[in-house]
Amino acid sequence: DTGVSQDPRHKITKRGQNVTFRCDPISEHNRLYWYRQTLGQGPEFLTYFQNEAQLEKSRLLSDRFSAERPKGSFSTLEIQRTEQGDSAMYLCASSPGGSSYNEQFFGPGTRLTVL
Amino acid sequence: QKEVEQDPGPLSVPEGAIVSLNCTYSNSAFQYFMWYRQYSRKGPELLMYTYSSGNKEDGRFTAQVDKSSKYISLFIRDSQPSDSATYLCAMSDRGSTLGRLYFGRGTQLTVWP
Repeated sequence: DTGVSQDPRHKITKRGQNVTFRCDPISEHNRLYWYRQTLGQGPEFLTYFQNEAQLEKSRLLSDRFSAERPKGSFSTLEIQRTEQGDSAMYLCASSPGGSSYNEQFFGPGTRLTVL
Repeated sequence: QKEVEQDPGPLSVPEGAIVSLNCTYSNSAFQYFMWYRQYSRKGPELLMYTYSSGNKEDGRFTAQVDKSSKYISLFIRDSQPSDSATYLCAMSDRGSTLGRLYFGRGTQLTVWP
């Protein structure tokens, strides 16, 4: 499968624990995005990488959230001291450079449940 | 007021019907418009991608953009039960936030046989 992959697909954790998600973009896509989607809502932008550089962070991304993309390949999203309000689907997307930069291809998401 | 408004439905139609989905937006800087389809507990899948105003057709799907009215539409002809999903509109400007998408909340569609 050459699409965007995310791991794990589901994560259940207790409030206060730290969690980390991984995203592997489509090969040779240099842009990578993280979004969060809650039930009944559309995805909301969290952060964006071009290669290894994190170019923008949404106000939704509190200081408990950190994202990395070492070497410009896969990316990780860590949430520290999880809260019940962090329960959501975390989506990763990637896009190629050049004129097609807005065509974002999404992965299956990681569904986080904080108890 | 959110930047992108979309009626969440639900919308229920018989197989073979023409479906019309739409979104309105407030940011006149938006120039790229997309429709995604999302099945339950899956990631969104890109259906249509349009730049600026006009129409674009792909098989049974037609996307329309009216920038003067800040209104976009997706038409599905000869709808099938397999079209049952949530349809999300998304849009983007060309500012420093390269590629960041602003989504509507999605319209849930059911096509019954």
